[in-house]
Amino acid sequence: EAGVTQFPSHSVIEKGQTVTLRCDPISGHDNLYWYRRVMGKEIKFLLHFVKESKQDESGMPNNRFLAERTGGTYSTLKVQPAELEDSGVYFCASSPSRRTQYFGPGTRLTVL
Amino acid sequence: DAKTTQPPSMDCAEGRAANLPCNHSTISGNEYVYWYRQIHSQGPQYIIHGLKNNETNEMASLIITEDRKSSTLILPHATLRDTAVYYCIVRSGGSQGNLIFGKGTKLSVKP
Repeated sequence: EAGVTQFPSHSVIEKGQTVTLRCDPISGHDNLYWYRRVMGKEIKFLLHFVKESKQDESGMPNNRFLAERTGGTYSTLKVQPAELEDSGVYFCASSPSRRTQYFGPGTRLTVL
Repeated sequence: DAKTTQPPSMDCAEGRAANLPCNHSTISGNEYVYWYRQIHSQGPQYIIHGLKNNETNEMASLIITEDRKSSTLILPHATLRDTAVYYCIVRSGGSQGNLIFGKGTKLSVKP
């Protein structure tokens, strides 16, 4: 069974540019989560999809972040425009039910 | 979800058992204890979870005290590849919601 995949693995952009991160969950997992870790901080929750619906987006830092999940399959997280403080590692996780979440390898975002 | 307390760091000799403690004194009856680890900059990896009874899988054992206020993750024969940050997370059994990561315990396995 393939795990959670994320693309790209690394992204380096300049301040003010737009970046889109993609997450492909484990097939059949209805729950999809985004987390991020910024430099020196703990891993923090961003938002949670159940199928294509946003269940909880309380962790989204501001309106420069937009997440979508097309048809309840893969998800994208767009940052527009990117700021320096957005640099960090963005993780995606999926879960088939209410319990165990399985994480992807992450996307390292660097904003210069 | 209940708060957890873990030591910031621990060392373990290669081949020996690593015992990682976690305190969760405010845990409620329907909350599970989960353990994840993060090796270097990889994504967090699920290890094990439990409610009341001790649990064992191919990676580790989880020992939960009778009053459920603390638990211990045991890696029976630690290897250098087990060097990672280990997170103890308490989560409601009915929850589909997010995991709350603390600072975890940095386990260093030494040759």
